[in-house]
Amino acid sequence: QVQLQESGPGLVKPSETLSLTCTVSGDSISPYYWNWIRQPPGKGLEWIGYIYYSGSTNYNPSLKSRVAISVDTSKNQFSLKLSSVTAADTAVYYCARRRGSGSRDNFDIWGQGTMVPVSS
Amino acid sequence: DIQMTQSPSSLSASVGDRVTITCRASQSITGYLNWYQQKPGKAPKLLIYAASSLESGVPSRFSGSGSGTDFTLTISSLQPEDFATYHCQQSYSTPFTFGPGTKVDIK
Repeated sequence: QVQLQESGPGLVKPSETLSLTCTVSGDSISPYYWNWIRQPPGKGLEWIGYIYYSGSTNYNPSLKSRVAISVDTSKNQFSLKLSSVTAADTAVYYCARRRGSGSRDNFDIWGQGTMVPVSS
Repeated sequence: DIQMTQSPSSLSASVGDRVTITCRASQSITGYLNWYQQKPGKAPKLLIYAASSLESGVPSRFSGSGSGTDFTLTISSLQPEDFATYHCQQSYSTPFTFGPGTKVDIK
């Protein structure tokens, strides 16, 4: 079965860049859309953006100036970079697969999530 | 952005109870609405997509309905494993947005 696993540093300092990688196992990274979603402690879910296996991207306008998502199809991985982080970026970061089209569009497979504190 | 609201924000219920959670969108999203269940320390799990389609493997006691701006998630007979937080999410347009969640706990 398809599984997603996030990896990256467990702590990021303010003003630095948060970098995470999601490794997809059990299936090819194509032809899906691959997403990053985050959840601050005790709060709701926020969609960060997605990348298609071909490399096209779509970002949340609230984060667009600081976000970059890339894909490496040879490694079946996609990555997130979030620059100039502050304490407000402290969250559990999830990678997720977007399945379907039209009204059947949904996030059907999620990684377990990785907590990234932003602190000096 | 399309804003999603949920009510109630929390509820207490007993095993066997019928539970209904409401989700409202700030504009029509036709049937582009998904429901997820999240347990503490775990990732969300897809329950319902396209407002009323049951995801494979999800028990039939879960059902969804609605269209336009108003949607409901119903658990027909609450089971011990159903105590969790439930999130709605619109897939009508980007940025995709989620409701704030409804926490269901034990009465």
